Amino acid sequence: EVQLVQSGAEVKKPGESLKISCRGSGYKFTSYYIGWVRQMPGKGLEWMGIIYPGDSDTRYSPSFQGQVTISADKSSSTAYLQWSSLRASDTALYYCARRGPYYYDNSVYFVFDIWGQGTMVTVSS
Amino acid sequence: DIQLTQSPSFLSASVGDRVTITCRASQGISSNLAWYQQEPGKAPKLLIYAASTLQSGVPSRFSGSGSGTEFTLTVSSLEPEDFATYYCHQLNSFLLTFGGGTKVEIK
Repeated sequence: EVQLVQSGAEVKKPGESLKISCRGSGYKFTSYYIGWVRQMPGKGLEWMGIIYPGDSDTRYSPSFQGQVTISADKSSSTAYLQWSSLRASDTALYYCARRGPYYYDNSVYFVFDIWGQGTMVTVSS
Repeated sequence: DIQLTQSPSFLSASVGDRVTITCRASQGISSNLAWYQQEPGKAPKLLIYAASTLQSGVPSRFSGSGSGTEFTLTVSSLEPEDFATYYCHQLNSFLLTFGGGTKVEIK
């Protein structure tokens, strides 16, 4: 079964660092981009960034560039999202998602087809 | 960035109703659009890609249309399990974006 399993909920204080994980299984981890998506309480989906574990090519949304770091470890089929100094405004549910290729009418479309269960991050003093 | 504007943001409907959600892109994105459904407390689920192609396993009461800057998601006859939030998502580049979402609630 193709799946992404994320690490558990975290409660942190402002200024602390954090690294959450997303482990892929059931497919070739190095051949698909993994993206991270934020969902603040009661709000919509925000794309944060994406990484290709095969060569660590990483792209960030301008809104999150410099605020977080995305990385991946091929040996453990795990992608990571980390913060060096958390803020209360980082309180949110974070999803990882696999970006898979889908073909239609001689074109390829890369969509988030497999999602992790989400990791809730709470930052409070 | 390409902005996606969904309307309405909230929709109240009854089981059996036909509902349509619109997603407008700030610039042309051809057919590089997907739709997702998110039930409360769950991760999003892919419904449609390439603007109109149904993901495997998605009921045929869901359909998508559009190209360029205007897209629609239609549910032909709402079932109880369809009451959820729907998001459009543009795939046109590595600067990916989601629409603001449309919450479909039971009237």
